[in-house]
Formats: sequence, structure tokens, C-alpha cells
Amino acid sequence: QKEVEQNSGPLSVPEGAIASLNCTYSDRGSQSFFWYRQYSGKSPELIMFIYSNGDKEDGRFTAQLNKASQYVSLLIRDSQPSDSATYLCAVNKQAAGNKLTFGGGTRVLVKP
Amino acid sequence: KAGVTQTPRYLIKTRGQQVTLSCSPISGHRSVSWYQQTPGQGLQFLFEYFSETQRNKGNFPGRFSGRQFSNSRSEMNVSTLELGDSALYLCASSRAGDTEAFFGQGTRLTVV
Repeated sequence: QKEVEQNSGPLSVPEGAIASLNCTYSDRGSQSFFWYRQYSGKSPELIMFIYSNGDKEDGRFTAQLNKASQYVSLLIRDSQPSDSATYLCAVNKQAAGNKLTFGGGTRVLVKP
Repeated sequence: KAGVTQTPRYLIKTRGQQVTLSCSPISGHRSVSWYQQTPGQGLQFLFEYFSETQRNKGNFPGRFSGRQFSNSRSEMNVSTLELGDSALYLCASSRAGDTEAFFGQGTRLTVV
């Protein structure tokens, strides 16, 4: 079992719809959770982070964390063609410092 | 505010050679971590440096090493290059005490 798992996709979403991405992790000691967006040929860009159970909203993005069920999700509202990218879920088990474990990523395609 | 800067952007090396990659973090960031990204293995953590000390380490052979200077700039070195070392090498920086990490553009290493 991989430490961080994501559906590889592609997740095809009509423009203006909600894209829902899921991520599960295996280590209950995980402390912090991140979503990165990576366009083809580019480096990952941090779009959301969440540390506590519940929802966190930032613009069109909402991250949801459920530590009991060991999953974290990302909702993209009003999806735009520019949202077409690979979304990487990352988990940090460290209380201090950075040692991110990444999922394989979910490819999202937003169709006009 | 300048982002994370990695040099060089592209490198072609021959098997058996060694290579040094450089990373300048965001001003004020004291943590620098390094990752390898390949199509087969995804993004994998190499190591993290904080205040010139290696704070976390991934599961890579000893051919992969790094260091951090007093100005927080970091270098990673790969000795005795193998074909399988061909990858995108990414560095990420974060503030002391924070775990949100911001990536540079990466160095694309090709070993022939």
C-alpha cells in the first residue's frame, strides 16, 4: 500500500462545474496536508494547505480533512480550462521540518 | 519577492560523472528540501537542510548528498551518475517553523 494514494484520472470536468479530488494516506501520525498544482513541464505550485479537521476555503478552492478516516480532499468550484493540470496531494509526518510524501497525482481536464 | 531559484535549468551528463545543483531559497526562508521527480516514481523526498544541518533524509543511496550554507543557499551533489538518475530535481524552501514549502523551477538532469 502506498503511503499517499490518489486516483490518477484523468478527471474530466465541464467548465463551470465542481472538480472533486480525493487523497488517502496511511500514516495516522501525519501532521499537515498540502495540495499542489503542476502544469505539464512546470514545477509544483502550492495552492492549499490544511492542518486541522474540517474545511478550509481559499477562493475557488476548498480543502477538506478527515483525520479519523485518513483522507483529504480538494474541491475546485467554477472550474476553468486554466485549472487543467495534475494535482498532487502531499503529507508531512514531521512536527518540525519538511519531509513531504506525495501521491501520484490526479490529472484534471476542464473542457470548455 | 523573488521565488526559489534553481541553477542550472538543464544538464546533460555522462554515466559515471558527478553533478552539483544549486538552490537559492526565498529570502528569509531557512529550510531547503530537495526532491526527485520521475515519471515512474513520482515526487520523492531526498533530504532537508535547516540552519546548515541535515534535518530529514529520504531513502536514497549515499551517492546523493547535499549541504547548506550560512546564507541558506543549498547544493545537492550526485556522484557516479547512473542512467536512472535522469529526473527533474526540485528544491523547495520554507520559513523556519513553517511546513508550507514553495518549489523552484527545477533542474532537468539527463544522464546519457
